[in-house]
Amino acid sequence: EIVLTQSPDTLSLSPGETATLSCRASQRVGSSFLAWYQQKPGQAPRVLIFGASNRATGIPDRFSGSGSETDFTLTISRLEPEDFAVYYCHYYGSSLPWTFGQGTKVEV
Amino acid sequence: QVQLQESGPGLVKPSETLSLSCSVSGDSLNDYYWNWIRQSPEKGLEWIGYVFYTGTTHYNPSFESRVTISIDTSKKEFSLRLTSVTAADTAVYYCARAEWEPRRRYFDLWGRGTPVIISS
Repeated sequence: EIVLTQSPDTLSLSPGETATLSCRASQRVGSSFLAWYQQKPGQAPRVLIFGASNRATGIPDRFSGSGSETDFTLTISRLEPEDFAVYYCHYYGSSLPWTFGQGTKVEV
Repeated sequence: QVQLQESGPGLVKPSETLSLSCSVSGDSLNDYYWNWIRQSPEKGLEWIGYVFYTGTTHYNPSFESRVTISIDTSKKEFSLRLTSVTAADTAVYYCARAEWEPRRRYFDLWGRGTPVIISS
């Protein structure tokens, strides 16, 4: 099983600042099979990034993803009030089971 | 607009079977993987397994001895059965869709989730 470890657990920032979230995989996952989701209280997760760096439909360009193999980053530029949420990385490649990181909370 | 909606009992007794359904509206089930995912404070997000529209299934080994996921394309729904539940199975259960193409097999559409409590 591929274990995803996110850091930090919590990120305290202000609107307008930049958030940098990390996701490290226990094995190489390539760049095609890593996604990032945003989850707000009481809601299901929503995909932001797939294939490590591709924005999903309707996602603002202040969200960007990078990385490959075992180290991935989600960057949120110019934080808006609606961006304060929990973010998860997710592996969805051929080596099942599919797994999630434990989440990073971005808080004010 | 495609939507997913989970349904089923919110309270299940320990040792009994948890059964949930996910209704798909606005599109056919063809060419997608249909998934069950759960979320608890203790374990976070856990992928339980999927059923492909053809009926092929794959389960997370953590659940494999207790889980069955099935699909009825004519009714446009798929289902989860989890046997011998314990308090550790208390969670919010989500159904979610993933495309057939490997590079796009992330969860692009989710239901709103249904909370399930395991308690006598």
